[in-house]
Amino acid sequence: EAGVTQFPSHSVIEKGQTVTLRCDPISGHDNLYWYRRVMGKEIKFLLHFVKESKQDESGMPNNRFLAERTGGTYSTLKVQPAELEDSGVYFCASRGRSSGNTIYFGEGSWLTVV
Amino acid sequence: AQSVTQLDSQVPVFEEAPVELRCNYSSSVSVYLFWYVQYPNQGLQLLLKYLSGSTLVKGINGFEAEFNKSQTSFHLRKPSVHISDTAEYFCAVSFTGNQFYFGTGTSLTVIP
Repeated sequence: EAGVTQFPSHSVIEKGQTVTLRCDPISGHDNLYWYRRVMGKEIKFLLHFVKESKQDESGMPNNRFLAERTGGTYSTLKVQPAELEDSGVYFCASRGRSSGNTIYFGEGSWLTVV
Repeated sequence: AQSVTQLDSQVPVFEEAPVELRCNYSSSVSVYLFWYVQYPNQGLQLLLKYLSGSTLVKGINGFEAEFNKSQTSFHLRKPSVHISDTAEYFCAVSFTGNQFYFGTGTSLTVIP
């Protein structure tokens, strides 16, 4: 069974540009999460999808961040326009009925804004 | 509000020595507790979890953790570490199974 996959693994963009991160959850997992780790800080929750619906987006930092999950499969997280403080690692995770309270993380997308 | 404290940001330890990585949490309700590990250039991998039942939880790679409700702790231990255990370790709590609260991580370096 394939795990959670994220693309791109690394991205370097200039301040003001746009970046779109993609996450493919484990097949059949209805719950999809985005987390972020800014350098040296804790990993913080951004938002939670159940299928295509946003269940909780309380962790989204501001309106420059837009997450979508059309069709309830893969998800995208767009940052527009990117700022320096957006640099960090963006983790996607998913959870299904069979996994109970365990969420499975992807390898992360490392974003550097210069 | 929930929070997780990992007191040690960096822990160096010699190969084959024991190690304990500390985790304390604060919560007014019952929580689920987790330890995740991130090896260099890899994603977060679940080491072990406590949901209920026995307070001593065994995980992968010889790690174990003990839930101590009175001390609100969930320290991670291994009796004898290997070079391959060099990684960053994250403690996390959740009370819904959805939103996880992570500590700032502990970087474990095993010295040959």
